[in-house]
Amino acid sequence: QQQVKQSPQSLIVQKGGISIINCAYENTAFDYFPWYQQFPGKGPALLIAIRPDVSEKKEGRFTISFNKSAKQFSLHIMDSQPGDSATYFCAASSGYNQGGKLIFGQGTELSVKP
Amino acid sequence: EAGVTQFPSHSVIEKGQTVTLRCDPISGHDNLYWYRRVMGKEIKFLLHFVKESKQDESGMPNNRFLAERTGGTYSTLKVQPAELEDSGVYFCASSQEQGLPQHFGDGTRLSIL
Repeated sequence: QQQVKQSPQSLIVQKGGISIINCAYENTAFDYFPWYQQFPGKGPALLIAIRPDVSEKKEGRFTISFNKSAKQFSLHIMDSQPGDSATYFCAASSGYNQGGKLIFGQGTELSVKP
Repeated sequence: EAGVTQFPSHSVIEKGQTVTLRCDPISGHDNLYWYRRVMGKEIKFLLHFVKESKQDESGMPNNRFLAERTGGTYSTLKVQPAELEDSGVYFCASSQEQGLPQHFGDGTRLSIL
């Protein structure tokens, strides 16, 4: 049973366009939702994270939108660049009470064409 | 500050052999996590140490996997005997406190032939 579902599996975007990756979760006990970026041969690196008390968080070109009632959250990458080409993972955690273990989505391979 | 270090970066062994993976967390991080990604699937939690104690090992697939963290510093994950389905990338992550951001190593790519 997959607790975090991520879509699409792959995404091709033109340089300067907007990349949108969506995730849905089931467990209402989740209280921390990070996004990780992974380049080939490297480990996942934390990109941006949100907690359910806010509906949106922005850091530079990266924005998380969070819809608590729908149990969905998404990553928007504005002005996408070829250097953004990577695999993106959404994740969820119950935080301190559950030891902080992360439940990941399946990943999205983003390719930004010049 | 050095990041999370894992070695080897790659390991190729035959079915039935034993392999030991090592993870050195960021200095001072009491929380250490092991995860695994099988080809094309999600990254899955294996277990969580707080210092030298196993806090949660609910994700360990079976008793062929043994994780240790003697002294609360580095950790090892041993697979004995290895089976074909154990192939994948094994990641280690660490954090200062539970619930704080986890920092990942670059992983060990394990191939069982």
